[in-house]
Amino acid sequence: NAGVTQTPKFQVLKTGQSMTLQCAQDMNHNSMYWYRQDPGMGLRLIYYSASEGTTDKGEVPNGYNVSRLNKREFSLRLESAAPSQTSVYFCASRTGTGHEKLFFGSGTQLSVL
Amino acid sequence: AQTVTQSQPEMSVQEAETVTLSCTYDTSENNYYLFWYKQPPSRQMILVIRQEAYKQQNATENRFSVNFQKAAKSFSLKISDSQLGDTAMYFCASVGHFGNEKLTFGTGTRLTIIP
Repeated sequence: NAGVTQTPKFQVLKTGQSMTLQCAQDMNHNSMYWYRQDPGMGLRLIYYSASEGTTDKGEVPNGYNVSRLNKREFSLRLESAAPSQTSVYFCASRTGTGHEKLFFGSGTQLSVL
Repeated sequence: AQTVTQSQPEMSVQEAETVTLSCTYDTSENNYYLFWYKQPPSRQMILVIRQEAYKQQNATENRFSVNFQKAAKSFSLKISDSQLGDTAMYFCASVGHFGNEKLTFGTGTRLTIIP
């Protein structure tokens, strides 16, 4: 009963390095999301995907790219990491029906030095 | 565009008392859905309660209830008989009707229950 699996759990990068955060769900959900959480800022939506093959920008997309590889997987890429991208990143998914809740991954603690 | 505003960064209340957390939102949708999520120190996100905007009746889940004022775009969470386990960050969130999947959160309220 895996739910939403997010990797890695921790990562330290140097400024300018690139990396991809991986997310996979096994609940046959249509919608998938990437959020970042910073103290005092709540959860801010980076990108979301309402269905396989579609992606849309959220509130803070600059500096990130995403790929909805298939219905299960939704990855987040930082092409050139900056210290401002130090944050906790959450992947989440849901069926896509309005009232259905989000299922969250366990989060990735990313530090950019 | 959807925005969610939580104006209380921190709150504290004595155990067994009642506390109300505020949330206001703005949306251009006619139908939408509102949620309260709880995040304890474990960082896990837990759905507390949800409200469908076209339902006038306020949602309740045991000790948790909402005061949904559609005209005022207000969605407050009331916790009755507060317990130590209610200590957490609480986030309000909104999403549009089917087809608009942009689900946005507020900045959160840190709630501390005092023994």
